[in-house]
Amino acid sequence: EVQLMESGGGLVQPGRSLRLSCTASGFNFGDDAMSWVRQAPGKGLEWVGSIKKKVHGGATEYAASVEGRFTISKDVSKAIAYLQMNSLETEDTGMYYCIRVGYGSSWYFDNWGQGTLVTVSS
Amino acid sequence: QSVLTQPPSVSAAPGQMVTISCSGSGSNIGKNYVSWYQQLPGAAPKVLIYDSTMRPSGIPDRFSGSKSGTSATLGITGLQTGDEADYYCATWDSSLSVVVFGGGTKVTVL
Repeated sequence: EVQLMESGGGLVQPGRSLRLSCTASGFNFGDDAMSWVRQAPGKGLEWVGSIKKKVHGGATEYAASVEGRFTISKDVSKAIAYLQMNSLETEDTGMYYCIRVGYGSSWYFDNWGQGTLVTVSS
Repeated sequence: QSVLTQPPSVSAAPGQMVTISCSGSGSNIGKNYVSWYQQLPGAAPKVLIYDSTMRPSGIPDRFSGSKSGTSATLGITGLQTGDEADYYCATWDSSLSVVVFGGGTKVTVL
């Protein structure tokens, strides 16, 4: 059974940094693509970024709103995905979901964690 | 303002059918597969449809997906109270090089 557990959320001041972790189990973490999606309070879903499958070189892609500030990485030995968030803004407040990406003919967001809440406020 | 346009809400009585539209453009839905997600109140989203028409194992056949041109549709038949949730479409936008979501549609069972 695929399990994803996010951690690291909390209250942080604007301009500061925070690192979210996503502990994974139940699948071949080293080979699979992972994504982060966030949801501001009472709002819809917003893609944050993804790290591609190992066979695709593990490249990263980001939404324009976080490009240059956020970094996604994977520690395969620990089966943990990270979202490093720098220069945080109040607009970054929301629930952050870690996702294992599935593939049919194309990608989709297959398995979701329960999310971790990030609040950016002074 | 979302790149993909969904109606804010739809409603129907138990046992009836609802459809949720997702309208995009040639650079997103027109070129790429669409996936659909259900978010029950207070829960994380769950995939209902991938590759525009495919259901993951465990998703009942009451849920269906279709795509035509630059629009996609999610259908729910035999509506149940447990289907009350927010529903989102998503795809890749080849011009923006980003994943785009619809704004979400709230389904209410009357």
